[in-house]
Amino acid sequence: GQQLNQSPQSMFIQEGEDVSMNCTSSSIFNTWLWYKQDPGEGPVLLIALYKAGELTSNGRLTAQFGITRKDSFLNISASIPSDVGIYFCAAPGRGSGGGADGLTFGKGTHLIIQP
Amino acid sequence: DAGVTQSPTHLIKTRGQQVTLRCSPISGHKSVSWYQQVLGQGPQFIFQYYEKEERGRGNFPDRFSARQFPNYSSELNVNALLLGDSALYLCASSLLTEETQYFGPGTRLLVL
Repeated sequence: GQQLNQSPQSMFIQEGEDVSMNCTSSSIFNTWLWYKQDPGEGPVLLIALYKAGELTSNGRLTAQFGITRKDSFLNISASIPSDVGIYFCAAPGRGSGGGADGLTFGKGTHLIIQP
Repeated sequence: DAGVTQSPTHLIKTRGQQVTLRCSPISGHKSVSWYQQVLGQGPQFIFQYYEKEERGRGNFPDRFSARQFPNYSSELNVNALLLGDSALYLCASSLLTEETQYFGPGTRLLVL
C-alpha cells in the first residue's frame, strides 16, 4: 500500500527557533495536507496544498507541495510553546477496490519545545 | 459554527462485546469518514460514506460496519471486540467526497 515517510520523528528545539519537517512517498499525489494533533484530541487541519510547486502560508506556518508531487514540506517560524504537538502529513489514497479516497497519514513528527 | 462532534468521548468494553460510535459532521458537509488511531501511529482509514452510501473501505475486518443517515450523521459499529480494537476512533467530514477532511475530537475505546 501507499506509505508516507515523515521526518524527523521528533524534534527538540528552543522557543523562538524555526522548525522544518518533511514528508516523502514513492507515489504521486494531487493533494497534500498537514495536520496538528494535541494529546487526546483529533487532528486539526493546518494547511491544504492542491498544486505541484504550491507554497501556502497560514500565519507562522508555511507548507510547500513538492514539484515531483511525491513530497511536501512544513516550516514553522519563531516557534512558541503552543506549537508543541504531533504534526502529521496526509494525502488521499485509493482503497484496494479503487473506491473513494481515504487519507493516508505519515507517522508524525513530535515537536517538543524547551523553554 | 459547530465542528465535527462525536459521542461518547470515552468508552470501556470487554472482549466479545459490541460498540456503536456516533458522529455528526460539520453543517453542510455530506461526507463522513472513519479512522482508527492506535497509540504512536497516524490515523488509519476505515470507511467513507457519502449520501448514505459506502464510497470506500480500508483494510479492516467485517466486524467493522458503518452507516450514514439522511441528516448525514453516521454510526460506526464494531462487533466481537478484541483487545487490539482499543484505539482512538476519529470521524472526519468533508463537503463532498474531496480529500480535505476535518476531524472531530474522537472517541477513545478501551477493550478489556
